[in-house]
Amino acid sequence: DTAVSQTPKYLVTQMGNDKSIKCEQNLGHDTMYWYKQDSKKFLKIMFSYNNKELIINETVPNRFSPKSPDKAHLNLHINSLELGDSAVYFCASRYRAGGSETQYFGPGTRLLVL
Amino acid sequence: SQKIEQNSEALNIQEGKTATLTCNYTNYSPAYLQWYRQDPGRGPVFLLLIRENEKEKRKERLKVTFDTTLKQSLFHITASQPADSATYLCALDVPISSGSARQLTFGSGTQLTVLP
Repeated sequence: DTAVSQTPKYLVTQMGNDKSIKCEQNLGHDTMYWYKQDSKKFLKIMFSYNNKELIINETVPNRFSPKSPDKAHLNLHINSLELGDSAVYFCASRYRAGGSETQYFGPGTRLLVL
Repeated sequence: SQKIEQNSEALNIQEGKTATLTCNYTNYSPAYLQWYRQDPGRGPVFLLLIRENEKEKRKERLKVTFDTTLKQSLFHITASQPADSATYLCALDVPISSGSARQLTFGSGTQLTVLP
């Protein structure tokens, strides 16, 4: 019954590695997001896709590349991981990109780069 | 640029009292403002949404006010309980620069602890 799911929940890796985080929503929503939450709990938007089209692309290093194979999935690939990438990454979805509806968040992926 | 501030990083109150959290914003005219709750190790969960033409919204023990002149929202939890302890985030719902899409911009949150 999980509305927005993410895998993996925890990710510990070495600097310089490449890793991916996957997200799936079963709510039938058109829009999906990636957020980064740092150690001070600040939640910052990174990307958003609406019906597989990139609509928000905030100032994020180009080592981060989102990919949406269909509107129920939004993955995040990170190349050449750095220490500063350590954070919690949340996926979220929303019914429509232009509506006022709430966002539903996944449980988060805790990334630790050593 | 847009700025959202939640005045208290942490707030401790006694059980049974009313908790009041503040969210201020600048350089903005949001159409909507939302409040979320985040428990440790979990994603944020939606609580309430208030529109710019609404002064107040209630849901059970929760109440949100929205003053577009002061650019401020207040979030109240009445008869607080230890189970209300969590981080509360306000978020402004604003259009992005292109098209009709909107995005949420979050404040840094207030960690509420309700003491028994």
